Amino acid sequence: SYELTQPPSVSVSPGQTTTITCSGDELGRRYTTWYQQRPGQSPLLVIYHDNKRPSGIPDRFSGSNSGNTATLTISGTQAIDEADFYCQAWDSSTGVVFGGGTKLTVL
Amino acid sequence: QVQLVQSGAEVKKPGASVKVSCQASGYTFTRHEIHWVRQAPGQRLEWMGWINVGNGNTKYSQSFQGRVTITRDTSATTAYLELSSLRSEDTAVFYCAILSGLFDYWGQGTLVTVSS
Repeated sequence: SYELTQPPSVSVSPGQTTTITCSGDELGRRYTTWYQQRPGQSPLLVIYHDNKRPSGIPDRFSGSNSGNTATLTISGTQAIDEADFYCQAWDSSTGVVFGGGTKLTVL
Repeated sequence: QVQLVQSGAEVKKPGASVKVSCQASGYTFTRHEIHWVRQAPGQRLEWMGWINVGNGNTKYSQSFQGRVTITRDTSATTAYLELSSLRSEDTAVFYCAILSGLFDYWGQGTLVTVSS
């Protein structure tokens, strides 16, 4: 079955750039979606189709996808960005696949 | 506006079944698949399966194959998740969701507690 791998945690200081990776076999050939999930809330779409940002999502969020790795970047990270982040992709055999999630801590 | 409203929390005994509903509004119900996602306490999102609301076709995750059934009632614009042979590890929040690129919406989640 297809799998996506994320680092369990990332810590940054306010104002720094956050980079969260998501690795999977030939992931660059698939669209990657990114979700932000705060405690007790439903996931929120922050990036779709690798690098597209829904309206209402701050432009400090960006995404890229190439080779075996998709990346979510948060420029000028703010305390309000602290949350769990999940990548997601589709595999024709496995179905919808989520990464294991990355807990972002803003120190 | 698009809304997915789920049924309330449930408490079930091991071995029982649970059925969770997801009522959709604000869009053409048959136009988008509805997915179900499980999240155990402190754990990752886990995809369970989806239903093509238009024709009723389903696809299930191998992790839940044989225990999960997803159905829909187009007249009620409602999708359903039924999970059988419940065990303590099934204690989780269950979400219904539309995962169609920008057209991405999630229900509020339904907590199912499995306890003897």
